Amino acid sequence: GENVEQHPSTLSVQEGDSAVIKCTYSDSASNYFPWYKQELGKRPQLIIDIRSNVGEKKDQRIAVTLNKTAKHFSLHITETQPEDSAVYFCAAPSGAGSYQLTFGKGTKLSVIP
Amino acid sequence: DTGVSQDPRHKITKRGQNVTFRCDPISEHNRLYWYRQTLGQGPEFLTYFQNEAQLEKSRLLSDRFSAERPKGSFSTLEIQRTEQGDSAMYLCASSLGQGGSNQPQHFGDGTRLSIL
Repeated sequence: GENVEQHPSTLSVQEGDSAVIKCTYSDSASNYFPWYKQELGKRPQLIIDIRSNVGEKKDQRIAVTLNKTAKHFSLHITETQPEDSAVYFCAAPSGAGSYQLTFGKGTKLSVIP
Repeated sequence: DTGVSQDPRHKITKRGQNVTFRCDPISEHNRLYWYRQTLGQGPEFLTYFQNEAQLEKSRLLSDRFSAERPKGSFSTLEIQRTEQGDSAMYLCASSLGQGGSNQPQHFGDGTRLSIL
Protein backbone atom coordinates (compact mmCIF):
# COMPACT_ATOMS: atom_id res chain seq x y z
CA GLY A 1 0.00 0.00 0.00
CA GLU A 2 0.88 3.67 -0.18
CA ASN A 3 3.07 5.34 2.43
CA VAL A 4 2.80 9.13 2.73
CA GLU A 5 5.33 11.10 4.76
CA GLN A 6 4.64 14.77 5.56
CA HIS A 7 7.04 17.43 6.88
CA PRO A 8 7.25 19.50 8.96
CA SER A 9 4.79 18.51 11.66
CA THR A 10 4.57 22.12 12.88
CA LEU A 11 5.35 25.37 11.11
CA SER A 12 5.22 28.94 12.38
CA VAL A 13 5.51 31.89 10.02
CA GLN A 14 5.05 35.62 10.27
CA GLU A 15 2.02 37.07 8.58
CA GLY A 16 2.88 37.89 4.98
CA ASP A 17 5.64 35.30 4.70
CA SER A 18 5.41 32.11 2.65
CA ALA A 19 4.84 28.60 3.98
CA VAL A 20 5.92 25.35 2.34
CA ILE A 21 4.81 21.86 3.35
CA LYS A 22 6.31 18.78 1.72
CA CYS A 23 5.06 15.23 1.24
CA THR A 24 6.64 12.12 -0.19
CA TYR A 25 4.83 9.03 -1.41
CA SER A 26 5.96 5.50 -2.11
CA ASP A 27 3.79 4.17 -4.96
CA SER A 28 5.01 5.38 -8.34
CA ALA A 29 1.60 4.52 -9.84
CA SER A 30 -0.14 7.18 -7.71
CA ASN A 31 -1.61 9.85 -9.96
CA TYR A 32 -3.74 12.16 -7.81
CA PHE A 33 -2.58 14.31 -4.90
CA PRO A 34 -5.02 16.44 -2.88
CA TRP A 35 -4.35 18.83 -0.03
CA TYR A 36 -6.81 19.40 2.79
CA LYS A 37 -7.07 22.15 5.39
CA GLN A 38 -8.65 21.29 8.72
CA GLU A 39 -9.46 23.94 11.29
CA LEU A 40 -9.97 22.89 14.88
CA GLY A 41 -13.19 20.92 15.27
CA LYS A 42 -14.12 21.22 11.61
CA ARG A 43 -14.19 19.00 8.57
CA PRO A 44 -11.16 18.51 6.30
CA GLN A 45 -11.63 20.95 3.44
CA LEU A 46 -10.14 20.30 0.02
CA ILE A 47 -8.05 23.33 -0.94
CA ILE A 48 -6.18 22.18 -4.03
CA ASP A 49 -5.28 18.99 -5.87
CA ILE A 50 -2.95 17.98 -8.68
CA ARG A 51 -2.82 15.10 -11.12
CA SER A 52 0.34 13.43 -12.27
CA ASN A 53 0.15 14.82 -15.80
CA VAL A 54 1.04 18.33 -14.60
CA GLY A 55 3.92 19.65 -12.55
CA GLU A 56 2.33 22.67 -10.91
CA LYS A 57 -1.09 24.11 -10.18
CA LYS A 58 -2.00 27.48 -8.70
CA ASP A 59 -5.10 28.92 -7.12
CA GLN A 60 -4.61 32.49 -5.91
CA ARG A 61 -2.19 32.32 -2.94
CA ILE A 62 -1.98 28.53 -2.97
CA ALA A 63 0.12 26.36 -5.28
CA VAL A 64 1.07 22.71 -5.42
CA THR A 65 4.12 21.30 -7.18
CA LEU A 66 4.71 17.68 -8.10
CA ASN A 67 7.97 15.88 -8.82
CA LYS A 68 7.04 12.42 -10.08
CA THR A 69 10.63 11.27 -10.44
CA ALA A 70 11.42 12.03 -6.81
CA LYS A 71 7.88 11.06 -5.68
CA HIS A 72 7.24 14.21 -3.72
CA PHE A 73 4.77 17.06 -3.84
CA SER A 74 4.61 20.33 -1.97
CA LEU A 75 2.05 22.91 -0.88
CA HIS A 76 3.06 26.56 -1.14
CA ILE A 77 1.08 29.32 0.56
CA THR A 78 2.19 32.87 -0.21
CA GLU A 79 1.34 36.08 1.66
CA THR A 80 0.10 34.10 4.64
CA GLN A 81 -2.75 35.45 6.73
CA PRO A 82 -3.87 34.53 10.26
CA GLU A 83 -6.87 32.68 8.82
CA ASP A 84 -4.45 30.30 7.11
CA SER A 85 -3.67 28.89 10.57
CA ALA A 86 -4.88 25.27 10.56
CA VAL A 87 -3.68 21.70 10.14
CA TYR A 88 -2.88 20.78 6.56
CA PHE A 89 -2.94 17.20 5.26
CA CYS A 90 -1.56 15.79 2.04
CA ALA A 91 -2.88 12.54 0.59
CA ALA A 92 -2.31 10.05 -2.20
CA PRO A 93 -4.26 7.08 -3.56
CA SER A 94 -3.52 3.82 -1.77
CA GLY A 95 -2.19 1.94 -4.76
CA ALA A 96 -2.88 1.68 -8.47
CA GLY A 97 -6.59 1.81 -9.27
CA SER A 98 -7.55 2.57 -5.68
CA TYR A 99 -9.94 5.37 -4.75
CA GLN A 100 -9.09 5.29 -1.06
CA LEU A 101 -6.70 7.98 0.11
CA THR A 102 -3.72 7.57 2.41
CA PHE A 103 -3.15 10.76 4.39
CA GLY A 104 -0.01 12.24 5.85
CA LYS A 105 0.14 12.95 9.57
CA GLY A 106 -0.53 16.64 9.09
CA THR A 107 1.26 19.95 9.50
CA LYS A 108 0.05 22.45 12.05
CA LEU A 109 0.56 25.89 10.52
CA SER A 110 0.52 28.93 12.77
CA VAL A 111 0.56 32.38 11.17
CA ILE A 112 1.71 34.98 13.65
CA PRO A 113 0.14 38.44 13.19
CA ASP B 1 -26.98 22.87 2.52
CA THR B 2 -25.84 20.63 -0.32
CA GLY B 3 -22.70 19.33 1.38
CA VAL B 4 -22.08 15.93 2.98
CA SER B 5 -24.29 15.51 6.04
CA GLN B 6 -23.56 13.24 9.00
CA ASP B 7 -25.72 12.30 11.94
CA PRO B 8 -25.31 12.37 14.87
CA ARG B 9 -22.54 14.91 15.44
CA HIS B 10 -21.66 13.39 18.78
CA LYS B 11 -22.29 9.96 20.28
CA ILE B 12 -21.40 8.90 23.82
CA THR B 13 -21.96 5.29 24.71
CA LYS B 14 -20.83 2.63 27.13
CA ARG B 15 -18.33 0.00 26.16
CA GLY B 16 -20.04 -3.03 24.67
CA GLN B 17 -22.96 -1.14 23.17
CA ASN B 18 -23.74 -0.96 19.45
CA VAL B 19 -23.76 2.35 17.61
CA THR B 20 -24.88 3.38 14.13
CA PHE B 21 -23.93 6.49 12.19
CA ARG B 22 -25.55 7.90 9.07
CA CYS B 23 -24.04 9.76 6.13
CA ASP B 24 -25.90 11.58 3.38
CA PRO B 25 -23.55 12.36 0.48
CA ILE B 26 -23.74 15.22 -1.97
CA SER B 27 -26.74 14.29 -4.11
CA GLU B 28 -25.04 13.65 -7.44
CA HIS B 29 -22.06 11.80 -5.96
CA ASN B 30 -22.05 8.06 -6.52
CA ARG B 31 -18.89 7.31 -4.52
CA LEU B 32 -19.02 7.33 -0.73
CA TYR B 33 -16.14 6.80 1.71
CA TRP B 34 -15.81 6.26 5.44
CA TYR B 35 -12.67 7.34 7.30
CA ARG B 36 -11.71 7.41 10.96
CA GLN B 37 -9.61 10.19 12.51
CA THR B 38 -8.00 10.20 15.93
CA LEU B 39 -6.50 13.22 17.64
CA GLY B 40 -3.37 14.50 15.94
CA GLN B 41 -3.61 12.10 13.02
CA GLY B 42 -4.81 12.25 9.45
CA PRO B 43 -7.97 10.43 8.39
CA GLU B 44 -7.60 6.65 7.98
CA PHE B 45 -9.61 4.89 5.30
CA LEU B 46 -12.23 2.36 6.41
CA THR B 47 -14.40 1.51 3.42
CA TYR B 48 -15.72 2.77 0.07
CA PHE B 49 -18.91 2.38 -1.96
CA GLN B 50 -19.55 2.90 -5.65
CA ASN B 51 -23.32 3.30 -5.77
CA GLU B 52 -24.61 0.46 -3.54
CA ALA B 53 -21.58 -1.81 -3.97
CA GLN B 54 -18.95 -1.90 -1.23
CA LEU B 55 -15.75 -2.16 -3.25
CA GLU B 56 -12.89 -1.59 -0.83
CA LYS B 57 -12.44 -2.36 2.85
CA SER B 58 -9.49 -1.57 5.06
CA ARG B 59 -7.85 -4.12 7.31
CA LEU B 60 -8.75 -1.62 10.06
CA LEU B 61 -12.38 -2.65 9.55
CA SER B 62 -12.74 -5.52 11.98
CA ASP B 63 -15.74 -7.84 11.92
CA ARG B 64 -17.39 -5.58 14.51
CA PHE B 65 -17.74 -2.91 11.84
CA SER B 66 -20.28 -3.06 9.05
CA ALA B 67 -21.30 -0.50 6.48
CA GLU B 68 -24.20 -0.39 4.07
CA ARG B 69 -25.46 1.80 1.28
CA PRO B 70 -28.64 -0.02 0.32
CA LYS B 71 -30.01 2.27 -2.37
CA GLY B 72 -26.83 3.95 -3.44
CA SER B 73 -27.73 7.14 -1.61
CA PHE B 74 -27.18 7.45 2.16
CA SER B 75 -24.90 5.08 4.03
CA THR B 76 -24.76 3.71 7.57
CA LEU B 77 -21.76 2.58 9.58
CA GLU B 78 -22.45 0.28 12.52
CA ILE B 79 -20.00 -0.67 15.24
CA GLN B 80 -20.99 -3.63 17.39
CA ARG B 81 -19.69 -4.32 20.89
CA THR B 82 -17.83 -1.02 21.05
CA GLU B 83 -14.38 -0.89 22.65
CA GLN B 84 -12.37 1.99 24.13
CA GLY B 85 -10.18 2.03 21.03
CA ASP B 86 -13.18 2.85 18.86
CA SER B 87 -13.27 6.38 20.27
CA ALA B 88 -12.55 8.64 17.29
CA MET B 89 -14.08 11.00 14.77
CA TYR B 90 -15.82 9.05 12.00
CA LEU B 91 -15.76 11.00 8.76
CA CYS B 92 -17.78 10.42 5.64
CA ALA B 93 -16.78 11.77 2.24
CA SER B 94 -18.29 11.60 -1.21
CA SER B 95 -17.16 12.19 -4.76
CA LEU B 96 -18.28 11.88 -8.31
CA GLY B 97 -17.37 8.64 -10.06
CA GLN B 98 -16.02 9.33 -13.51
CA GLY B 99 -14.37 6.46 -15.28
CA GLY B 100 -11.32 5.11 -13.53
CA SER B 101 -9.94 8.36 -12.17
CA ASN B 102 -9.78 9.70 -8.63
CA GLN B 103 -12.17 12.59 -8.06
CA PRO B 104 -12.10 15.21 -5.31
CA GLN B 105 -13.50 13.83 -2.06
CA HIS B 106 -15.62 16.20 0.02
CA PHE B 107 -15.95 15.50 3.72
CA GLY B 108 -18.78 15.89 6.18
CA ASP B 109 -18.42 17.31 9.69
CA GLY B 110 -18.05 13.82 11.15
CA THR B 111 -19.53 11.93 14.09
CA ARG B 112 -17.43 12.08 17.24
CA LEU B 113 -17.71 8.79 19.15
CA SER B 114 -16.75 8.61 22.81
CA ILE B 115 -16.72 5.26 24.59
CA LEU B 116 -17.12 5.40 28.37
